[in-house]
Amino acid sequence: DIQMTQSPSSLSAYVGDRVTITCRASQSISTYLNWYQQKSGKAPKLLIYAASSLHSGVPSRFSGSGSGTDFTLTISGLQPEDFAIYYCQQSYSTPRTFGQGTKVEFK
Amino acid sequence: QVQLQESGPGLVKPSEPLSLTCAVSGGSISSYYWSWIRQPPGKGLEWIGYIYYTGTTTYNPSLKSRVTISVDTSKNDFSLRLTSVTAADTAVYYCATDRAAGTNSFYYYMDVWGKGTTVTVSS
Repeated sequence: DIQMTQSPSSLSAYVGDRVTITCRASQSISTYLNWYQQKSGKAPKLLIYAASSLHSGVPSRFSGSGSGTDFTLTISGLQPEDFAIYYCQQSYSTPRTFGQGTKVEFK
Repeated sequence: QVQLQESGPGLVKPSEPLSLTCAVSGGSISSYYWSWIRQPPGKGLEWIGYIYYTGTTTYNPSLKSRVTISVDTSKNDFSLRLTSVTAADTAVYYCATDRAAGTNSFYYYMDVWGKGTTVTVSS
């Protein structure tokens, strides 16, 4: 199985801050990397696919980059509705695997 | 727009099987892969497996011996059966699409999810 490791596990930030979350794969996955946002009590929501493609309807303040084993999700100008848990997920192979999540909290 | 809705018992006794169904509306099940994912309380997401509408399945090796996913194209739904459950199987269970970004794309993502259903394993 491909292991996905996110850092940090949690972070505190102000509204308007630029936030960066990293995800590392245990082997090269090219750009087969997705990012999801999950709010409390809700299902995950797709933000980014193929490492850097913005899913339909997702605000442009979200962006993704990376290839191979190292990836980043950036939120440029954190908004109140962005406080949530973010997960990366590889779609390079099965079993699909997720990172452990990064919780973004109010500072 | 495809919508998914999970259903099934919220309480299952240890050692008994867990059975859930995901109803697909707003589109046909006869396309895409259809996944089950679970999330134990306060923890992260675990992919259980998926099924193609033809019936081809792929399971997470960690659960493979206990999992069966099936599809019913006449009812436009698919199902999860997990046997010999323990307290460790207590989780919110989600169904989701797992589909390609385009006709000739190899990039897959899960863009439609059900709301999730909570299953507690307890006597």
